[in-house]
Amino acid sequence: DIQMTQSPSSLSASVGDRVTITCRASQSINTYLNWYQQKPGKAPKFLIYAASSLQSGVSSRFRGSGSGTDFTLTISSLQPEDFATYYCQQSYSVPFTFGPGTKVDIK
Amino acid sequence: QVQLQESGPGLVKPSETLSLTCTVSSGSITSYYWSWIRQPAGKGLEYIGNIHYSGSTKYNPSLKSRVTISVDSSKNQFYLTLSSVTAADTAVYYCARVGGGSSGWYYFDFWGQGTLVTVSS
Repeated sequence: DIQMTQSPSSLSASVGDRVTITCRASQSINTYLNWYQQKPGKAPKFLIYAASSLQSGVSSRFRGSGSGTDFTLTISSLQPEDFATYYCQQSYSVPFTFGPGTKVDIK
Repeated sequence: QVQLQESGPGLVKPSETLSLTCTVSSGSITSYYWSWIRQPAGKGLEYIGNIHYSGSTKYNPSLKSRVTISVDSSKNQFYLTLSSVTAADTAVYYCARVGGGSSGWYYFDFWGQGTLVTVSS
């Protein structure tokens, strides 16, 4: 199985801050990397696919980048509704695997 | 847009079989893959497996010996059974649509709200 790691596991930030989350795969996954946002008690929300393609309807302040084993999710200017946990997920091979998540909370 | 809804018992006894149904509405179950994903309280997401409307399946090897995913296209439903459950199977279970298949990019684009299944005697 491909193992996914994320850093940091949590971070505190203020509204308007630029936030960067890193995701690393245990082997090259090309750009088969997706990002999700999850708020407490809710299902994950799909944000980005193919490492950098924004899902329709998702704010352009979310940006994904990377290829191979190293990826980043950047939120350009953090908004109150962005406080949540973010997960990366590889779709290069089954079993699809998720990172452990990065919790973004209010400073 | 497509909507998914999980249903099934919220409490299952140890060693018994967990059975859940996912009902798809506002869209057809055909032409897509459909998945089950679970999340223990306070923990991350675990892929269980997926099924194509034609019936072909892929499972997480860690659960493969206990999992069956099936589909009934006439009812726009797909199903999860997990046998010989233990407390470690206690989790919120989500069903989700696998989008992007025709492009080669697979992602979970629509999710159900999730249903908590507790394994306890």
